[in-house]
Amino acid sequence: EAAVTQSPRNKVAVTGGKVTLSCNQTNNHNNMYWYRQDTGHGLRLIHYSYGAGSTEKGDIPDGYKASRPSQENFSLILELATPSQTSVYFCASGDRQHTEVFFGKGTRLTVV
Amino acid sequence: GDSVTQTEGPVTVSESESLIINCTYSATSIAYPNLFWYVRYPGEGLQLLLKVITAGQKGSSRGFEATYNKETTSFHLQKASVQESDSAVYYCALGDYNQGKLIFGQGTKLSIKP
Repeated sequence: EAAVTQSPRNKVAVTGGKVTLSCNQTNNHNNMYWYRQDTGHGLRLIHYSYGAGSTEKGDIPDGYKASRPSQENFSLILELATPSQTSVYFCASGDRQHTEVFFGKGTRLTVV
Repeated sequence: GDSVTQTEGPVTVSESESLIINCTYSATSIAYPNLFWYVRYPGEGLQLLLKVITAGQKGSSRGFEATYNKETTSFHLQKASVQESDSAVYYCALGDYNQGKLIFGQGTKLSIKP
């Protein structure tokens, strides 16, 4: 069964702290994505990857880094978290033709 | 940057009536964008409804159709006669096979009145 697993599911972080959101997929997909979802904005692309070792900037990459050490894993890193990064973050994996796209259940991040 | 804008939801349509959900896009970093409509039925994951990779072409699936219009940068989703089973959230998306980039619109929740 296709699966995208995110951890943690909920996180409270302090301003200026480092936060790492992890994502694992068992779909053997080349592409992986990190989006954030805020009211009125829908899904906004932060970083994506088309294979192990690659990371590409999406539309709102400022303040975020990404890491794709393997086909299965894709992390999102906030080196210095700010309250404006409070949001729900979704990881997704997809095939090259975008025919299959599977989303994780989301991580609710609150930066105080 | 690249972006997708679609009809603000929620949208309610009576059964057997026609439907149009508007989608317009901006592709500044993708030379040859591919366009998609995805759907999420209640309790299910996101699934591809239709896709078009060539400007001027029309895609169709399950009675829905959308035409890739490069001049107006639009990809509106239409159906002549909706059914109750079409109740779902619909997402327009813009992608690039070469880079792997995939951008979604904000989603449009569609409810069908019996």
